[in-house]
Amino acid sequence: SYELAQPPSASVAPGQTASITCSGDKLGEKFAYWYQQKPGQSPVLLIYHNTKRPSGIPERFSGSLSANTATLAISGTQDVDEGDYYCLAWDRGPVFGGGTRLTVL
Amino acid sequence: QVQLVESGGGVVQPGMSLRLSCAASGFTFRHYSLHWIRQAPGKGLEWVAVISYDGSRKSFADSVRGRFTVSRDNSENTVYLQMDSLRPEDTAVYFCARDMGPLQLVYYFDYWGLGTLVTVSS
Repeated sequence: SYELAQPPSASVAPGQTASITCSGDKLGEKFAYWYQQKPGQSPVLLIYHNTKRPSGIPERFSGSLSANTATLAISGTQDVDEGDYYCLAWDRGPVFGGGTRLTVL
Repeated sequence: QVQLVESGGGVVQPGMSLRLSCAASGFTFRHYSLHWIRQAPGKGLEWVAVISYDGSRKSFADSVRGRFTVSRDNSENTVYLQMDSLRPEDTAVYFCARDMGPLQLVYYFDYWGLGTLVTVSS
């Protein structure tokens, strides 16, 4: 079965840029999506089609895809950005990465 | 505004059945496919099932295929997840989520409900 690998945790100082990676076989040939989930809340779509932001998502969230790795970057990270981040891609069905817990130090 | 409200969760014994509902509002329900996605306590997200906007296509994760079924009532703006032969590993919060593509099935999700907790335990 298809797997997407994410680091389990990441940390960033306020105001700095956080980068979260998502790796998978032939991911570069697919579309990647990113979700943010805060404790006790439902996931929120941050990035779709690798780089696009839905309306209402701040510009500090950006996505990229290179070779087999998708990256979510959060520039000017704020305390409110703490939470879990999941990537998603399609392979015989939607597949989520294991999630990355972002801590803002 | 778009709202998805799940209900029907609870505590059941292994081998029993449960039916979850997801009531939708704030959009043209019959134009959108709906997914079920679950999250075991303290764990990540797992896609479970989808039903297309017109009910003609249904797909399931390997982990639930043959035990779960999905249906929808476009007159009631509601989608259902029938869960049979439940196992302890089915314990999770079950979210209903809207497919982002109107009148198509694109397999990513823009709006989610708050979820309903299903606990399978003897």
